[in-house]
Amino acid sequence: EAGVVQSPRYKIIEKKQPVAFWCNPISGHNTLYWYRQNLGQGPELLIRYENEEAVDDSQLPKDRFSAERLKGVDSTLKIQPAELGDSAVYLCASSSAYGYTFGSGTRLTVV
Amino acid sequence: GQQLNQSPQSMFIQEGEDVSMNCTSSSIFNTWLWYKQDPGEGPVLLIALYKAGELTSNGRLTAQFGITRKDSFLNISASIPSDVGIYFCAGQLRGGSEKLVFGKGTKLTVNP
Repeated sequence: EAGVVQSPRYKIIEKKQPVAFWCNPISGHNTLYWYRQNLGQGPELLIRYENEEAVDDSQLPKDRFSAERLKGVDSTLKIQPAELGDSAVYLCASSSAYGYTFGSGTRLTVV
Repeated sequence: GQQLNQSPQSMFIQEGEDVSMNCTSSSIFNTWLWYKQDPGEGPVLLIALYKAGELTSNGRLTAQFGITRKDSFLNISASIPSDVGIYFCAGQLRGGSEKLVFGKGTKLTVNP
């Protein structure tokens, strides 16, 4: 079975530019998560979807971050405009009754 | 937000030595998990614990869910070079598809 697929793996952008990340979860996993992992820290949840509904977005900075999960499968996370402090690894995960699986992440560098 | 206190922050050991790391919380968690993260990859689940007092093994790894539900430890026996990486504890207040709350990680270096 294919794992959680994320793209791109790396992204370098200038501050104030927009950026988008894409995630394809494991087939059949209804729950999808976006986590942000700052250097030297553990991942922190940004948003959780149950199918196409965002059920926990309390940690998502809504002034510049947005996410969508159309049709309850793939998801995109967007930052507009990016700030220097947004440099981090953005991890997507999906889950079933048998547990979580994380993707390899997108490493974002804002310069 | 909620945080898990994980220690030690880093460890440098010789191949063959045993390793122990732990995680504490001010809140009760009903699920504790231990993950390993290699450079450039996402966390991979090592062990999941669902009952207070539970002791679970996975090969050379052993983890325990503290009786107070506020702590957990992970032991690695007879370390090998491929054990190198960052180990994270994570907790869930209730379980299921709920978010994971992570510790800051323990970076393990194994000298051959």
